[in-house]
Amino acid sequence: DARVTQTPRDKVTEMGQEVTMRCQPILGHNTVFWYRQTMMQGLELLAYFRNRAPLDDSGMPKDRFSAEMPDATLATLKIQPSEPRDSAVYFCASGSESRNEQFFGPGTRLTVL
Amino acid sequence: GENVEQHPSTLSVQEGDSAVIKCTYSDSASNYFPWYKQELGKRPQLIIDIRSNVGEKKDQRIAVTLNKTAKHFSLHITETQPEDSAVYFCAASMGTGTASKLTFGTGTRLQVTL
Repeated sequence: DARVTQTPRDKVTEMGQEVTMRCQPILGHNTVFWYRQTMMQGLELLAYFRNRAPLDDSGMPKDRFSAEMPDATLATLKIQPSEPRDSAVYFCASGSESRNEQFFGPGTRLTVL
Repeated sequence: GENVEQHPSTLSVQEGDSAVIKCTYSDSASNYFPWYKQELGKRPQLIIDIRSNVGEKKDQRIAVTLNKTAKHFSLHITETQPEDSAVYFCAASMGTGTASKLTFGTGTRLQVTL
């Protein structure tokens, strides 16, 4: 049963530190999404890639957030420097070019103190 | 951009009763409408979806209806069970057979009581 994986599952850090979250999409999926979930804002799209190229990162604060796909099996989301308001659960999802469905990873719960 | 509204925010039903969650969307170009179920501390999981060329879709106790003219779609759960308790999210996207960015509703917390 193929699944999206994410690491770390939990991260506690102090304000100002760099945070890197990683995602491995389902093998064969060419589209990767990063979502952030908070109680106040719900689920919101930060950025997404197709065939490793960024298609939309309008939901991402550009001054501190960056997203990349070094290869087809790895997507990263970095925050530098982190702030307490970045505390949230960050989900990665993947999908294919032949179907609409997206499959979510287990999420990274980030706490910035 | 797309805006998706979802109601109600909380819903409590007795086991065996039906539950209905409603969503509206703003962009008439949206053509794919999935529903996700999220249990506490878990990932959102797709439970059913519908495309704009279909008015209704059923999968056992779950059904989704779509009214393109009114730009609203609904999730219907019949014969609810305690394991249906979760947060349900509707979403909309403009994907044409391709995974595309989703705009989510704010979620409905469903509680099924014994």
